[in-house]
Amino acid sequence: GENVEQHPSTLSVQEGDSAVIKCTYSDSASNYFPWYKQELGKGPQLIIDIRSNVGEKKDQRIAVTLNKTAKHFSLHITETQPEDSAVYFCAASNYGQNFVFGPGTRLSVLP
Amino acid sequence: GAVVSQHPSWVICKSGTSVKIECRSLDFQATTMFWYRQFPKQSLMLMATSNEGSKATYEQGVEKDKFLINHASLTLSTLTVTSAHPEDSSFYICSAGTGNIQYFGAGTRLSVL
Repeated sequence: GENVEQHPSTLSVQEGDSAVIKCTYSDSASNYFPWYKQELGKGPQLIIDIRSNVGEKKDQRIAVTLNKTAKHFSLHITETQPEDSAVYFCAASNYGQNFVFGPGTRLSVLP
Repeated sequence: GAVVSQHPSWVICKSGTSVKIECRSLDFQATTMFWYRQFPKQSLMLMATSNEGSKATYEQGVEKDKFLINHASLTLSTLTVTSAHPEDSSFYICSAGTGNIQYFGAGTRLSVL
């Protein structure tokens, strides 16, 4: 089955700096890769996603890149703000089925 | 994005009682809903996949008689924790799928005394 690894487990950055979180997956059949942001005591919120036919997607300060050959994808947050502090989860899926989540990255943006 | 409503957000119950958690997709129909359990500082653990009009599919190690799932309509799935015990205390989260995308509810924190 699919296995998703995520690094780093914790990340601290200064406000205004960029943050990068990386995930790798094992199943070449996976074709949908979402990123979720989870604040304390809340459910995960979809922030950006990418499908296997696209190499990069951007939405304002966040972007995701996908390397299908290497089976890894990354989340990039630029100009970080304190409200970006949260736990971020990547996931891999095959046509919306069998979602497998990474272990999560705790991002702290220091003012 | 699509909205998934989950209630209650927090429940405290006595050991031995049953607790029902509701998950509703508010602006779309979901033939499939998912139930997750999350321990502190850990990732989401899939408990079961709920299919409208049929029996849920449980992950290995999840007791189907303890965690009863009903998916009565295309917009509602319920999780009932039966005869709850303190070890069932956790954060339970549902999600509903539309297309390839899963949208999550806000979660339910269950505390069993």
